[in-house]
Amino acid sequence: EVQLLESGGGLVQPGGSLRLSCAASGFTFSNYDMIWVRQAPGKGLEWVSTISNGGHNTYYADSVKGRFAISRDNSKNTLDLQMNSLRADDTAVYYCAKPASRSSLNWFDPWGQGTLVTVSS
Amino acid sequence: EIVMTQSPATLSVSPGEGVTLSCRASQSVTTNLAWYQQKPGQAPRLLIHGAFTTATDIPARFSGSGSGTEFTLTISSLQSEDFAVYYCQQYSYWPLTFGQGTKVEIK
Repeated sequence: EVQLLESGGGLVQPGGSLRLSCAASGFTFSNYDMIWVRQAPGKGLEWVSTISNGGHNTYYADSVKGRFAISRDNSKNTLDLQMNSLRADDTAVYYCAKPASRSSLNWFDPWGQGTLVTVSS
Repeated sequence: EIVMTQSPATLSVSPGEGVTLSCRASQSVTTNLAWYQQKPGQAPRLLIHGAFTTATDIPARFSGSGSGTEFTLTISSLQSEDFAVYYCQQYSYWPLTFGQGTKVEIK
């Protein structure tokens, strides 16, 4: 069974940093691009970042470019999101998700359960 | 960026009734369109991909149709567990984009 388990969320002050992790199991992690998607409270879904299966290519939404960094460790089947210079509008539940096939220009199944990031003083 | 517009924002429906949700893309995404269901406190769950292919273990009362810019998700007879928010997502172009969601609530 494919499973994704996020961790690392919490309360952080504006301007602070946080590192999220996603532990993957049940599939050959190194064969798949991976993504982070976020959902602000009461709002819709927003793609945040993508990393290629080998980790060499990364992509970011304009809203997080220059502040967030996605990475992965294929030896540990983990996906990370380093979030710096956090702002109140980064407050959201952050999900990692697996694409249906290698490319992340795709639909996603499954999604992790999400981890809540709250940016507030 | 492809803008995905869902309508209506909210649907009030009685159990047993059928509903049709709409999703419109700002330009053609052919059939690169997925639908997800999300219940409070849960992650999105894939229902439909390729505009009309039902995902594994999804009940037959869920069906998708459309291509290009106009898509629909139909639930033929709403069960209590179907009251949720539904999102469409295009995967033709970067960045991936989602609609703002349609909430299906109990009337």
